[in-house]
Amino acid sequence: GEDVEQSLFLSVREGDSSVINCTYTDSSSTYLYWYKQEPGAGLQLLTYIFSNMDMKQDQRLTVLLNKKDKHLSLRIADTQTGDSAIYFCAERQSSASKIIFGSGTRLSIRP
Amino acid sequence: KAGVTQTPRYLIKTRGQQVTLSCSPISGHRSVSWYQQTPGQGLQFLFEYFSETQRNKGNFPGRFSGRQFSNSRSEMNVSTLELGDSALYLCASSPTSGGTNTGELFFGEGSRLTVL
Repeated sequence: GEDVEQSLFLSVREGDSSVINCTYTDSSSTYLYWYKQEPGAGLQLLTYIFSNMDMKQDQRLTVLLNKKDKHLSLRIADTQTGDSAIYFCAERQSSASKIIFGSGTRLSIRP
Repeated sequence: KAGVTQTPRYLIKTRGQQVTLSCSPISGHRSVSWYQQTPGQGLQFLFEYFSETQRNKGNFPGRFSGRQFSNSRSEMNVSTLELGDSALYLCASSPTSGGTNTGELFFGEGSRLTVL
């Protein structure tokens, strides 16, 4: 199958770290992505990781990739109210060069 | 540089009607992909067009169709609308098929379709 799975909701306190998890199915995926969708807007690429990497850090964002378990995670340090959004995990399938998205995780921030 | 433009932004149709949505990609981008976004199913891939040819297709019925013009603008059409077609339809463009070299897609804000 070509499912990318994520939990639907995550609630964290402002200032804490958020960890959003994702599992994918295509072991030959070349790139994996995290996109962010703010209310009323389209998706915007947050970060991506190449499949031969284990980790990528970009300011407050840390992406971890476990190829053996086909597991991807996004950690947002010091979560702020502006981080409230839906976060989509996606994989680029090498076989068809199409990009498949998960169902999205809605991150809400509580004071 | 203008972003991806989708029209109309909102529309309401009734069951059995048909609808056409339009997408203008970023200038110079030749690939246009369409996705359906619903609360329960997330983002589902509909199809991708590159240089006026359909390159990839998702698992949607034949009521969903699309095309791309020589200027890279794309349209998608849904015929015989059903209540379950209510969704946000997102268009994404990229310079090449399957995204940029790193696979990045550039999304429009979407067309929200409500079927009554």
